[in-house]
Amino acid sequence: AAGVIQSPRHLIKEKRETATLKCYPIPRHDTVYWYQQGPGQDPQFLISFYEKMQSDKGSIPDRFSAQQFSDYHSELNMSSLELGDSALYFCASSSLAGLAYYEQYFGPGTRLTVT
Amino acid sequence: QKEVEQDPGPLSVPEGAIVSLNCTYSNSAFQYFMWYRQYSRKGPELLMYTYSSGNKEDGRFTAQVDKSSKYISLFIRDSQPSDSATYLCAMRPAAGNKLTFGGGTRVLVKP
Repeated sequence: AAGVIQSPRHLIKEKRETATLKCYPIPRHDTVYWYQQGPGQDPQFLISFYEKMQSDKGSIPDRFSAQQFSDYHSELNMSSLELGDSALYFCASSSLAGLAYYEQYFGPGTRLTVT
Repeated sequence: QKEVEQDPGPLSVPEGAIVSLNCTYSNSAFQYFMWYRQYSRKGPELLMYTYSSGNKEDGRFTAQVDKSSKYISLFIRDSQPSDSATYLCAMRPAAGNKLTFGGGTRVLVKP
């Protein structure tokens, strides 16, 4: 079965640079979520989108922005990168259709290293 | 104090033993409960989800929810070395999409 696709899988950036992470949800899933997982930590919710509109917002820094496009893929844009932004960034998707909308399926993650 | 507490482990068991994992939470608004398995450097994989208090069984996995005690559990029967991973509980309220995770418990099943 198709899964959530994230690109790139690994990204190395320097401080103050910008980064763009991409997420392609499972086909027919209309909701996308972004999580940040620091070393040895649990995933922290950043932001989510449903039908291209922001649906919920967590602890996302003002330096970060995200959007969902008409094909339902999403991009997380990160500017003025800091060393503390080094983490695994996960995208998850779900579908509001049917009863299983609360099941969030995670992608493999993008490992961002800021040097 | 975190909204969801989970013993970080590590929890080491011999192959074939029952693995018992649990989480406690403080937010009574949480209504949906999930268990994820995460292998090193991989994304969390959804194992089980429950809504109501009680038991739910799926193969070797049993999830329990006790909303009155704000306590959830996951049991893994006949554990295998391939079950060695970090297990994360997660939960969310009825409204909204945000999942709140426990810190994860690292499990090691020894052959």
